[in-house]
Amino acid sequence: DTEVTQTPKHLVMGMTNKKSLKCEQHMGHRAMYWYKQKAKKPPELMFVYSYEKLSINESVPSRFSPECPNSSLLNLHLHALQPEDSALYLCASSQDPRDHYGYTFGSGTRLTVV
Amino acid sequence: KQEVTQIPAALSVPEGENLVLNCSFTDSAIYNLQWFRQDPGKGLTSLLLIQSSQREQTSGRLNASLDKSSGRSTLYIAASQPGDSATYLCPHNDYKLSFGAGTTVTVRA
Repeated sequence: DTEVTQTPKHLVMGMTNKKSLKCEQHMGHRAMYWYKQKAKKPPELMFVYSYEKLSINESVPSRFSPECPNSSLLNLHLHALQPEDSALYLCASSQDPRDHYGYTFGSGTRLTVV
Repeated sequence: KQEVTQIPAALSVPEGENLVLNCSFTDSAIYNLQWFRQDPGKGLTSLLLIQSSQREQTSGRLNASLDKSSGRSTLYIAASQPGDSATYLCPHNDYKLSFGAGTTVTVRA
């Protein structure tokens, strides 16, 4: 398996809802990432998990809460989001956070906050 | 802060033309370099990975070169096809990826 799988593909949520995005990989990669991408902009890093521990938080608001329950799974919990949080959320993984090997990206979750 | 510059920002060509996409980095400390393409509203698809010990990498009609001394990489796409229409990205890789704005390519049939 050489894929990163993200679910759901599309999500519409109200500003008072709580929802979660899920990301899964079975390549044995030990680094996993969340990126946010607004329309016609490049992806921006949100969080990095290294060996299941949070290693980088790019000053992301607390309404976004990441979780890495095991080496294959990465979640992003969403609560009290704002309409400006509407974006494509991309998950990625890489073999080892200490080297510079290639990244594999998922197909993304299109999030709309209403 | 690492900056990635991609030139041109957009490119529109007739089918069959060769494409040249350029990427440069403010930090010339370049490790492995990975080129991606992104279709509208989709995830990133890896095209080529140039490891730090290599100067170029080829896959089919795609060839990517890396000049670490100047902090530049170039992606060549031969005999372009409408299916090559996408945004191309070459992020800097330093334990996390830093993206430039990309080059948006349109190949006209």
